[in-house]
Amino acid sequence: DGGITQSPKYLFRKEGQNVTLSCEQNLNHDAMYWYRQDPGQGLRLIYYSQIVNDFQKGDIAEGYSVSREKKESFPLTVTSAQKNPTAFYLCASSIGRIWGPQHFGDGTRLSIL
Amino acid sequence: SQQGEEDPQALSIQEGENATMNCSYKTSINNLQWYRQNSGRGLVHLILIRSNEREKHSGRLRVTLDTSKKSSSLLITASRAADTASYFCATDGVNSGGYQKVTFGIGTKLQVIP
Repeated sequence: DGGITQSPKYLFRKEGQNVTLSCEQNLNHDAMYWYRQDPGQGLRLIYYSQIVNDFQKGDIAEGYSVSREKKESFPLTVTSAQKNPTAFYLCASSIGRIWGPQHFGDGTRLSIL
Repeated sequence: SQQGEEDPQALSIQEGENATMNCSYKTSINNLQWYRQNSGRGLVHLILIRSNEREKHSGRLRVTLDTSKKSSSLLITASRAADTASYFCATDGVNSGGYQKVTFGIGTKLQVIP
């Protein structure tokens, strides 16, 4: 079955540590996105990518980095510069035109030790 | 500030009743989408309505769009316990940087009591 796989489901970060969240899709979608979801808030866009080797900052890119070396993969690194990283992170993809209907993974919940 | 804002923030109904959720937005849009999110899971796309459409149906879902009032509603008819979830509207528009993006609202948390 086609879909988006996010791993791990739960992740813990120590102070000063960088962590990488994985996102893989086998839907052959061109566009991919990373969102952050905090309790009581909507999704906030971190980064998005329309094609391989290209990506754009979203609304809250500070403290995060991404890469898009393959069409199927869009990993997100939460760096030590992100001072409040505890949140639910969602990866999504869409076919063809960017900002069309998005397919989401089941998220990674990141907590601070 | 949020482009799309849902109302109410929480809704509790009995199974079999209809549930109506509303979404208001501020700037002109090309499309408006509705998504569902079960607790601890990712979002699932329900329906997309274009700015030149007024109503759209999908199974027990009915979506209306009133561009003059900058609002949309999602109606779930004959609700089931399995409809318990949070529902989000997502609107596209051009942000202050001049590029198009989709903005999600805060969501309506629906509880359907068996």
